[in-house]
Amino acid sequence: TQLLEQSPQFLSIQEGENLTVYCNSSSVFSSLQWYRQEPGEGPVLLVTVVTGGEVKKLKRLTFQFGDARKDSSLHITAAQPGDTGLYLCAGELGNFNKFYFGSGTKLNVKP
Amino acid sequence: DAGITQSPRHKVTETGTPVTLRCHQTENHRYMYWYRQDPGHGLRLIHYSYGVKDTDKGEVSDGYSVSRSKTEDFLLTLESATSSQTSVYFCAIRDRDPEQYFGPGTRLTVT
Repeated sequence: TQLLEQSPQFLSIQEGENLTVYCNSSSVFSSLQWYRQEPGEGPVLLVTVVTGGEVKKLKRLTFQFGDARKDSSLHITAAQPGDTGLYLCAGELGNFNKFYFGSGTKLNVKP
Repeated sequence: DAGITQSPRHKVTETGTPVTLRCHQTENHRYMYWYRQDPGHGLRLIHYSYGVKDTDKGEVSDGYSVSRSKTEDFLLTLESATSSQTSVYFCAIRDRDPEQYFGPGTRLTVT
């Protein structure tokens, strides 16, 4: 059983559509990160959220941390083919320096 | 980009043989991590280090050992490789903040 449940697992959409990826847990996290991974490469950090209710924006990407710090979402507006990739959330429990990853959302944006 | 390299990048080995993977950083970051990535599981923590000679277990540490004799190097050893250890292995580094920076990965196949 994964500590962080990520949904959906797969998403195939047309260019210009909006989408939301969810990352949920019953545990409270001291911080949560979102990463994007291309095939054959390591994950690359997109954002870190640390405060309950926090919202961060990165161009067309909006990240939200739940008030109770148990869940997070990633919303992409007007998706583009360049957004294609595997999106991963990761949370740190307490200050124990250990990170738990969701299973990932594979996004395909068709032109 | 964070200065982090992994070697080898690809390896094929036989069941029962020992294997050592190396992670090298030039950032002088305190924390170093080893993860494995398998389909449907995201990344799972094997071991991590919080300083020279200081290591701790992660979620999936059975069958793996690590060593860190210098700040810049973190070694992952499979004492006797099994087919279930076929995976892609990623090293990550971080400093005081929760953000992790990943290496390019090592694809290991155990036949």
